[in-house]
Amino acid sequence: DIQLTQSPSTLSKSVGDRVTITCRASQSISTWLAWYQQKPGKVPRLLIYKASTLENGVPSRFSGSGSGTEFTLTISSLQPDDSATYFCQQYDNYPLTFGGGTKVEIK
Amino acid sequence: EVQLVESGGGLVKPGGSLRLSCTASGFTFSAHGMNWVRQTPEKGLEWISSITTTSAYIFYADSVKGRFTISRDNANNSLILQMNNLGVDDTAIYYCARGKGRGGLDVWGQGTMVTVSS
Repeated sequence: DIQLTQSPSTLSKSVGDRVTITCRASQSISTWLAWYQQKPGKVPRLLIYKASTLENGVPSRFSGSGSGTEFTLTISSLQPDDSATYFCQQYDNYPLTFGGGTKVEIK
Repeated sequence: EVQLVESGGGLVKPGGSLRLSCTASGFTFSAHGMNWVRQTPEKGLEWISSITTTSAYIFYADSVKGRFTISRDNANNSLILQMNNLGVDDTAIYYCARGKGRGGLDVWGQGTMVTVSS
């Protein structure tokens, strides 16, 4: 199974800050990676797929990059509405797997 | 509006069974692979099963293989998860999710809670 390791597990930043979340895969997954946002009590929301393609309706301050085993989700200017937990997920191979999540808090 | 609505969750004793349903609306159900994903605070998000558009290919996580069965009825826009021999580790919120087609899971239901407890 492909393991996904996210870091950090929690971060606290101020509004307007740049935020970077890393997802490392235990083996190469090309660019078959998605990022999700989940707010408390809500369902996950797809933000980015194929490592860097922004889903329709997602604000342009979100971006994704990477290929192979290392991937990054960046929020260019953190907004209050971005307080949430972010997950990466690989769909290169079954079983599909998710990262452990990164909780983003607003200072 | 594109929507997935799960039902069938509840409280069941260890060793029991439950049948989850997911009804789709607002899109061409038969054109999408479908998935079940569960979530707990301890384990996070865990993919359970996927089924392709015509049910030609089905995949399961090792943790549920042999106990859970995924199926779909394209005529009625429904996805089913039959869960047998449930254990306490199966306690979770269960989501159905639409596959985007090599693009992750782009539509999620609201989730249904399954609690396995004596």
